[in-house]
Amino acid sequence: IAGITQAPTSQILAAGRRMTLRCTQDMRHNAMYWYRQDLGLGLRLIHYSNTAGTTGKGEVPDGYSVSRANTDDFPLTLASAVPSQTSVYFCASSETVGAGELFFGEGSRLTVL
Amino acid sequence: GENVEQHPSTLSVQEGDSAVIKCTYSDSASNYFPWYKQELGKRPQLIIDIRSNVGEKKDQRIAVTLNKTAKHFSLHITETQPEDSAVYFCAASMGSNYQLIWGAGTKLIIKP
Repeated sequence: IAGITQAPTSQILAAGRRMTLRCTQDMRHNAMYWYRQDLGLGLRLIHYSNTAGTTGKGEVPDGYSVSRANTDDFPLTLASAVPSQTSVYFCASSETVGAGELFFGEGSRLTVL
Repeated sequence: GENVEQHPSTLSVQEGDSAVIKCTYSDSASNYFPWYKQELGKRPQLIIDIRSNVGEKKDQRIAVTLNKTAKHFSLHITETQPEDSAVYFCAASMGSNYQLIWGAGTKLIIKP
């Protein structure tokens, strides 16, 4: 069982380019999340999805969009990347929203130049 | 606004001693408080959690205590070992959707 798979693991991107970070889980979890992790700021929620077909905004949603067409996949798109979006991005899932263990992917390190 | 404050940002203890990390939260309706450990270059992983109807929970060398009145909770690690070196994050469920709000993290250094 793979758990959560993220791709790519690392990417360097020119400012203004479009980028999609992929996330797939095989645990049939209802809830999925995208976080960004920056030094000294911990984990900040970008977007979440309580169940397939629904999404919601987290603390820092601007410049990002998500979709949840099915249970397993939750891609994160940067429509026009900016240097402030340089960060490590973690996808996570949980059985239900609100309480219970979050299972994280290995992270995607994104550098926007 | 909704926030979680975590202290200290860095903690250095001698191997074998105890370590305590403290977090305070703003929303009195919060009902779930997990702690995650993140080793260098790795993903965060849950080490222990507590719900608001419990004051303390213990799992071997790790314990978490919750004071709902004061709105703070703490992680206690006893008999620290080199493999305890990591960044530890606290979180609290907040808001109408009970999403987790995270502390900024504590870097725990275990000195040999």
